Amino acid sequence: GQNIDQPTEMTATEGAIVQINCTYQTSGFNGLFWYQQHAGEAPTFLSYNVLDGLEEKGRFSSFLSRSKGYSYLLLKELQMKDSASYLCAFMDSNYQLIWGAGTKLIIKP
Amino acid sequence: IAGITQAPTSQILAAGRRMTLRCTQDMRHNAMYWYRQDLGLGLRLIHYSNTAGTTGKGEVPDGYSVSRANTDDFPLTLASAVPSQTSVYFCASRPRDTGELFFGEGSRLTVL
Repeated sequence: GQNIDQPTEMTATEGAIVQINCTYQTSGFNGLFWYQQHAGEAPTFLSYNVLDGLEEKGRFSSFLSRSKGYSYLLLKELQMKDSASYLCAFMDSNYQLIWGAGTKLIIKP
Repeated sequence: IAGITQAPTSQILAAGRRMTLRCTQDMRHNAMYWYRQDLGLGLRLIHYSNTAGTTGKGEVPDGYSVSRANTDDFPLTLASAVPSQTSVYFCASRPRDTGELFFGEGSRLTVL
């Protein structure tokens, strides 16, 4: 079967670093996505990993290990505007996205 | 229009009524999707269309229907709304050559 799991909620301090983990199981894999969703808004694309390793994009980085079925999103120099839900999703063999329930990130001053 | 547009943004509906949520994109994307998002659950796929003229069922298709007469439009119809269909509905599109989804702003539907 297919499943995907990420923590429900995390809290971090402004200016700090936080890592949001995502684990998945699937027989067919065509990449892993991270999206950001502010309350009451639509999800917006953050990153896409299809090969193992770290992809860096400004303050955000995403890592993938296909053999472990594991990814993380790393947010550096946290800002209050980073308070949002972060959605992890993998693309299966039919090119459909399977979504995690999202991790609500709370940033405290 | 720039991107993907949904209408209405919010609607309160009596149970048993018929409702169509509209979705239009001007990016000429081949694939389009309808998701519902409920508190504590991930985005769940209702129906999808890989190209104009074709549609497919997602994870939670019961009670919903779609059509894809052309590339731009992908309406979602609730034939007879029930309270369990109270949710936020997102339409999304994807170009052929990438996996990135582009989302509409969402339609908040309340069925009483």
